[in-house]
Formats: sequence, structure tokens, C-alpha cells
Amino acid sequence: EPEVTQTPSHQVTQMGQEVILRCVPISNHLYFYWYRQILGQKVEFLVSFYNNEISEKSEIFDDQFSVERPDGSNFTLKIRSTKLEDSAMYFCASSAGAGANVLTFGAGSRLTVL
Amino acid sequence: AQSVTQLDSQVPVFEEAPVELRCNYSSSVSVYLFWYVQYPNQGLQLLLKYLSGSTLVESINGFEAEFNKSQTSFHLRKPSVHISDTAEYFCAVSDQGGAQKLVFGQGTRLTINP
Repeated sequence: EPEVTQTPSHQVTQMGQEVILRCVPISNHLYFYWYRQILGQKVEFLVSFYNNEISEKSEIFDDQFSVERPDGSNFTLKIRSTKLEDSAMYFCASSAGAGANVLTFGAGSRLTVL
Repeated sequence: AQSVTQLDSQVPVFEEAPVELRCNYSSSVSVYLFWYVQYPNQGLQLLLKYLSGSTLVESINGFEAEFNKSQTSFHLRKPSVHISDTAEYFCAVSDQGGAQKLVFGQGTRLTINP
């Protein structure tokens, strides 16, 4: 069964460093998403991406965050200058379309900021 | 905007007992409803979904959920649980238009005791 692949599975970084989390969505999917889950809290929507641009973003997704689809297969989330509160599990997801199309999630990338 | 409330943060049950995990939502528009499961150290997996049609939906591993519009609920049930059902269960909603932006509940940790 097709799956969404995320790397790295776990990254530890120092506060203030830049981090890039990578995702390979399902190949024929057109919509891409990032969600995050801070330990013990809800899974929260960060951003959705379609047709090479952001279609929606949450209040969490401030100027420190950016997304990119650099080569037609990868979908990346960059955090420019990490803060302690960015420590979380970050989930990538993709869907074939909007509306009733179901999201397929990756296994997540755990980011620990020290 | 939508919101989701899962009334129980933890539910311990004995193996082969029935279980119900409660989910209530609020929304000013029509929604799609989902249950996702997160097994230990894994990502989010779709368990079942309600998009339209029959209000009772079933998964392949014996779970079912019923959409109750008047009570704005989508409770998850299983008549007889197994040790392997130990996981965190997330209820989620999205509106029926545009890109898939899921709003998640807080999650319910289901623990099955032998």
C-alpha cells in the first residue's frame, strides 16, 4: 500500500538552529500538509500546500516556518531558528484531492530542541 | 470554525470487554468525521470515516462509529477488545469544502488489560 515517508525519524537540535524536515508524499497525490503534536497535546494543523503554493496556514505557522516542494517528489518543512517550544512530533500528510479525500499520514519526525 | 471534544483522556478496559470512546464536535457547517489511531511509536492511521450516506460506519478490525447529527457526536465502539487495540484514538473533523484541514480532539488513550 502506498505510504508517506518522513525523514528523519528523530532530530535533536540546539535552540536557534535551522531544521529541515523532509517528506515524500504518495506519488499521485496533489495536496500536502504538515501537522504537529506537542507532547501530551492535540494534533494541530500547520499548513496545507497545493499547486506549488500554500493554500491555508494556521496561526502557528509564522515567519519562522516555510514549506517547499523543491523537486516534484519531496515536500519539506523548514524552521529557520528553532525555539524550545518547537519540540514536537511533526506529521506530513498527503491527499489525492480536497473535500472528501482522506489524508494519509507519515509516521512523523520527532524534533527535540535543547 | 470547528472543534472536537473527546470526553475521556484515558479508558482502561479488560480484554474481550466492550468499549466506547466518546467524541463530540461543533461546527457551523457540514463536516466529515474521522477516527484515527496511533499505535505506540507509530504515526496516525485512519481507522474509519463518515463522509455521507449510512450513519453507521465500520472498520475492518471490528470498530464502528455512528454519526449522530442531532447530538453532534461520532462515538467509537467495539463489542470486544483485544490487547492489540491498545493505542491512542483521535477523533477529527473537517468541513466539506476546500482542502482537508483536520481539527483533532485531544485523544483518548485506550489501555487493554488482560
